[in-house]
Amino acid sequence: GAGVSQSPSNKVTEKGKDVELRCDPISGHTALYWYRQSLGQGLEFLIYFQGNSAPDKSGLPSDRFSAERTGGSVSTLTIQRTQQEDSAVYLCASSLARLGGAGELFFGEGSRLTVL
Amino acid sequence: EDKVVQSPLSLVVHEGDTVTLNCSYEVTNFRSLLWYKQEKKAPTFLFMLTSSGIEKKSGRLSSILDKKELFSILNITATQTGDSAVYLCAVDNYGQNFVFGPGTRLSVLP
Repeated sequence: GAGVSQSPSNKVTEKGKDVELRCDPISGHTALYWYRQSLGQGLEFLIYFQGNSAPDKSGLPSDRFSAERTGGSVSTLTIQRTQQEDSAVYLCASSLARLGGAGELFFGEGSRLTVL
Repeated sequence: EDKVVQSPLSLVVHEGDTVTLNCSYEVTNFRSLLWYKQEKKAPTFLFMLTSSGIEKKSGRLSSILDKKELFSILNITATQTGDSAVYLCAVDNYGQNFVFGPGTRLSVLP
């Protein structure tokens, strides 16, 4: 597609359930990022994928969070045993990482997660 | 720890006013500074700054970077209600992720 696509756009779940959030980056973009934005807050880095390199997982808040990127394209962020504090908008972004600069990030519309 | 600070956090102005938004940073390795506008969900790209003293301009918006004093400003002249949004500043620190500030929430009243 022309832009970064995320699904679902909204997800309401019960505490303790697992959720999966999907991101389809812009075709040809080798770098993919997940960020989390709580209400009224800035963007919190979660995880970064670059090509075939090992992902940078330094931002994942707990071992309940994991992400994978299959075939260097689509990424899935999984949150296990969701807690109410996981409620936030999860934003995915991609960039055309190139020599001399990462370039700007292109964001998807986000997935709003509400944990009851 | 790399950090990006924005001020003010919130600003209310009337249409036609000029506003200046501030972004200061402390990062180990600086590559570029980016400004984004976030109206609902997806932040949209405004500017990327890599060199000091060179103003980037797009319509009523402009931005400049000072790498010596470690800050950037985003100016919006003749504000309109459509400028109401959260403006995010982010720094590319060569660290494989972008460090974002908390944002400035701008409200432009008619």
